[in-house]
Amino acid sequence: AQTVTQSQPEMSVQEAETVTLSCTYDTSESDYYLFWYKQPPSRQMILVIRQEAYKQQNATENRFSVNFQKAAKSFSLKISDSQLGDAAMYFCAVNTPLVFGKGTRLSVIA
Amino acid sequence: DTGVSQNPRHKITKRGQNVTFRCDPISEHNRLYWYRQTLGQGPEFLTYFQNEAQLEKSRLLSDRFSAERPKGSFSTLEIQRTEQGDSAMYLCASRDRENTGELFFGEGSRLTVL
Repeated sequence: AQTVTQSQPEMSVQEAETVTLSCTYDTSESDYYLFWYKQPPSRQMILVIRQEAYKQQNATENRFSVNFQKAAKSFSLKISDSQLGDAAMYFCAVNTPLVFGKGTRLSVIA
Repeated sequence: DTGVSQNPRHKITKRGQNVTFRCDPISEHNRLYWYRQTLGQGPEFLTYFQNEAQLEKSRLLSDRFSAERPKGSFSTLEIQRTEQGDSAMYLCASRDRENTGELFFGEGSRLTVL
């Protein structure tokens, strides 16, 4: 069985600062994908960033980057230059069908 | 708009009634997924279709739940004899044949069972 653990139910960050959201996972698959999804209040889930497990290079999408540690089964999300629009629930997920963690609620303080 | 569409967006029903939700995926996507999300939790996988074939069902999908995708396009999720514990957001997502695993989600159908 696949599991995803997000140990931070809530996080907050000052606008323009950097924040890191943690995620650990477990899977028996040898080849898999990892994802971070964002769910704004009352809005649909959207993909933030994706990492292919066979790639050693950490994925980056503008202000969002990951720290992927395959041996440790760790997949953290770093948000740089945080903006008010980044406030949302963030879910870490592995594989397909995706297995999600319980999420981290991120607040951005102006 | 060519995104994933779900209807109805909200449904309030009395315990014991049947409800049906519809999902229209992105037109070129052959895979369709249903998830359930309760307050404060991440989405939980229910079932998935490739074209019209239902390929996987979660143990969460009790015999009161049935999903169909008759022509490989839209899908329906029916819940019979609803219980208060069925109250949740039901999310539909689709993906294309590329093996990237990215799912595109609809806005969800919120069910409240009184």
